Amino acid sequence: KAGVTQTPRYLIKTRGQQVTLSCSPISGHRSVSWYQQTPGQGLQFLFEYFSETQRNKGNFPGRFSGRQFSNSRSEMNVSTLELGDSALYLCASSLQIGNTEAFFGQGTRLTVV
Amino acid sequence: SQQGEEDPQALSIQEGENATMNCSYKTSINNLQWYRQNSGRGLVHLILIRSNEREKHSGRLRVTLDTSKKSSSLLITASRAADTASYFCATDNSGNTGKLIFGQGTTLQVKP
Repeated sequence: KAGVTQTPRYLIKTRGQQVTLSCSPISGHRSVSWYQQTPGQGLQFLFEYFSETQRNKGNFPGRFSGRQFSNSRSEMNVSTLELGDSALYLCASSLQIGNTEAFFGQGTRLTVV
Repeated sequence: SQQGEEDPQALSIQEGENATMNCSYKTSINNLQWYRQNSGRGLVHLILIRSNEREKHSGRLRVTLDTSKKSSSLLITASRAADTASYFCATDNSGNTGKLIFGQGTTLQVKP
């Protein structure tokens, strides 16, 4: 069974631009969550989707948004990029919401210059 | 904000020795999961222990959970150089969400 696939793996953007990251969950998994990892703040929850609906959102500005498609694939978008958005963005896939194992992809390394 | 605090922040041992990492958390949980991360890559799921379980094993890994002390430990026995990585605990506080709250992690170096 294929794992969680995130694309692209690496990305360099300029301040003010926007970016879209993609995540394909494990086949059969319907829950997708996104996390931001930085050296200073560690791993922080961005949002969670299940059945195309956002079920939970972390404490991030509105520039961070996401969506989930009917095939459970998810995208997250960051608009008006800031230098501080440079981070590793990780996607996690679960069978259901809560109380179950979450499996992560390799992440997208975003660098904002 | 981080729920988990991990101890120690860094650990260096020789191959063949055991490594123990501890994680403390603040609120009640449904379950606690341990992950490994190699050099800024993705997180590899190691083990999940539910709040009604006290101990769980998987290969060379042993995880304990003490809900009265709000703490967990991960023991890696007979460590190998390939175990060199950062280890994180993550808690799931509610059955209604998959949101995980991570600790800051323990960086383990296993010297050959």
